[in-house]
Order: sequence, then C-alpha cells, then structure tokens
Amino acid sequence: SQQGEEDPQALSIQEGENATMNCSYKTSINNLQWYRQNSGRGLVHLILIRSNEREKHSGRLRVTLDTSKKSSSLLITASRAADTASYFCATGGYSTLTFGKGTMLLVSP
Amino acid sequence: DARVTQTPRHKVTEMGQEVTMRCQPILGHNTVFWYRQTMMQGLELLAYFRNRAPLDDSGMPKDRFSAEMPDATLATLKIQPSEPRDSAVYFCASGTGYQPQHFGDGTRLSIL
Repeated sequence: SQQGEEDPQALSIQEGENATMNCSYKTSINNLQWYRQNSGRGLVHLILIRSNEREKHSGRLRVTLDTSKKSSSLLITASRAADTASYFCATGGYSTLTFGKGTMLLVSP
Repeated sequence: DARVTQTPRHKVTEMGQEVTMRCQPILGHNTVFWYRQTMMQGLELLAYFRNRAPLDDSGMPKDRFSAEMPDATLATLKIQPSEPRDSAVYFCASGTGYQPQHFGDGTRLSIL
C-alpha cells in the first residue's frame, strides 16, 4: 500500500511557470524525500526534508512539510522543458522507502 | 559519477521461462534494494539486502521469485516460472543506510 499520495496525478505547464506538487502521507515520519524519474530511467533523489524542518531549498526546488496535516509540497520555480518527468514522494528514511504513485509533469517550450 | 548498473535493460520472453535480472550496486554501498514498477501498483519494494544478507523479502511472491547476492558486486532477481502478470519494470537501488538510494535504469520485462 502507498504511504504517500501525490496530487495532481498530472500537470502540464509552460516553460518559465512554477510547478507545485503535493504529497499526503498516513503515518508519522522521520523524514520525507522527493525523487524524479525521467522517462525510461531510474529514480533520482532530489531533496530530503526532516520531520523537524518546515521548508528546504535546493536550487529551483522548494519543499515544505506540514506534519500536522501529514503533507508536503514540492515547488519547482521557473520550470524548463528538461523538468519534464514524474515526481515521487517517499517516506521511510534511508532504509525501506514507500513511494507514492507520482505526479507526471509536462513542461512545454 | 558512480552508477547502479542493471542488465538486461529489456527482456521479452514467453510464459514459463526463467528470467534472471542482474544488478551491480555502487562500490561501497552495503544495502541493495529490488523494486517493481507498474502503472497499477506504482513502485513496490520486493526485497532488500544489507551486507549481502537478506533483510526483508516480504514484498516478493515466494513461490516464483528469488533474490540473492552472490558477492558484494552482484545482486540477482530470478523469476521461475514467469507469468504475464510479472511484466513490469524492475529496479535495483543501492545505498549505505545514511545516504539516499541510488537507482539503476531498470529492466523492462515483458512476459508473453
């Protein structure tokens, strides 16, 4: 069963726009991670946010975590065509991870 | 950059045949994971090893799937006999337990 559930399932935007994806989870966590998957490739780790953090930045990525609502969001600013991919949230620490089903992001030039 | 290597990248075979998928984890990583990805179920953990010892294979159908690590540089996932419902992309990932997991590019398996 999925611990994390991403929303929306699919998102289509133009280059330069911001993209926001949300993740909800069910049980208490120590941290939450976001991964990206390009078509035909494996998942690539983007960012990890710990349960005692509320916001974290990495380049054009901004992640927030609200443990009271059991939710997280991933914001990609000034999107590029190369950001086209599926994005997954994952919970469980560095050992066994449980992934959501992902948000498919399409960035059109 | 160090990478997890999976072979083969694509496999098409007939129902009932044995399938073996191989994974070379990143040197120095002591934890290896096998995942299966399908449209319906998403990404599911099948099994994982630490220091070559199996820690959890509860996600794996025991009657037909088996996972091993003959040595620190090779992990294998076998399906025997294969069934059409096994069609999926199988990913191997490796890690140290202190860093995020690194994924291979997967084996796309089609069972006819």
